[in-house]
Amino acid sequence: TQTVSQSDAHVTVFEGDSVELRCNYSYGGSIYLSWYIQHHGHGLQFLLKYYSGNPVVQGVNGFEAEFSKSDSSFHLRKASVHWSDSAVYFCAVSASDNNRIFFGDGTQLVVKP
Amino acid sequence: GPKVLQIPSHQIIDMGQMVTLNCDPVSNHLYFYWYKQILGQQMEFLVNFYNGKVMEKSKLFKDQFSVERPDGSYFTLKIQPTALEDSAVYFCASSLPGNTLYFGEGSRLIVV
Repeated sequence: TQTVSQSDAHVTVFEGDSVELRCNYSYGGSIYLSWYIQHHGHGLQFLLKYYSGNPVVQGVNGFEAEFSKSDSSFHLRKASVHWSDSAVYFCAVSASDNNRIFFGDGTQLVVKP
Repeated sequence: GPKVLQIPSHQIIDMGQMVTLNCDPVSNHLYFYWYKQILGQQMEFLVNFYNGKVMEKSKLFKDQFSVERPDGSYFTLKIQPTALEDSAVYFCASSLPGNTLYFGEGSRLIVV
């Protein structure tokens, strides 16, 4: 069974700061790792995904994530956040041989002006 | 980008009544999902559906829940009868093989 853990429920930063949102997973096989963003009152939107190849994956709006097999991690980063980045961010994992996708508990990012 | 539409956006229903939540997935997608979210927190997997059949369901997918997609129309989640603990936002999603999900805006269900 795949599991995904987001250790920080809330992260608060100031506009222009860099941010890293943490995600750790456990699964022994071949997996997809993804990040999604949810603005208040809306559905989730896909940000980026890793399956194989370059462990640093670029997403939309300046986000990137880095896969580390040794740490079982897929942390999301942004060099300079904007107030509009305030949202809940979900890490997701799924096995490559099925379509059941597990989400972490989410990290609420608050960007202060 | 591709859009998933959900109808209704909000519904208030008496406990014990039946409710049907409708989802119009992205047109060429093959996999369909329902997730349940309470208080803007965890996205809890309910069920996924492919080729006219339920592929997997979680323990949250109680006997009172059912899904179908008759003749390529709406992908529906039916709850009969509803219970107070069914109050939540239900999100539909669809995907092609490759596991990138496209979500609707959610259907907020309030059971009173």
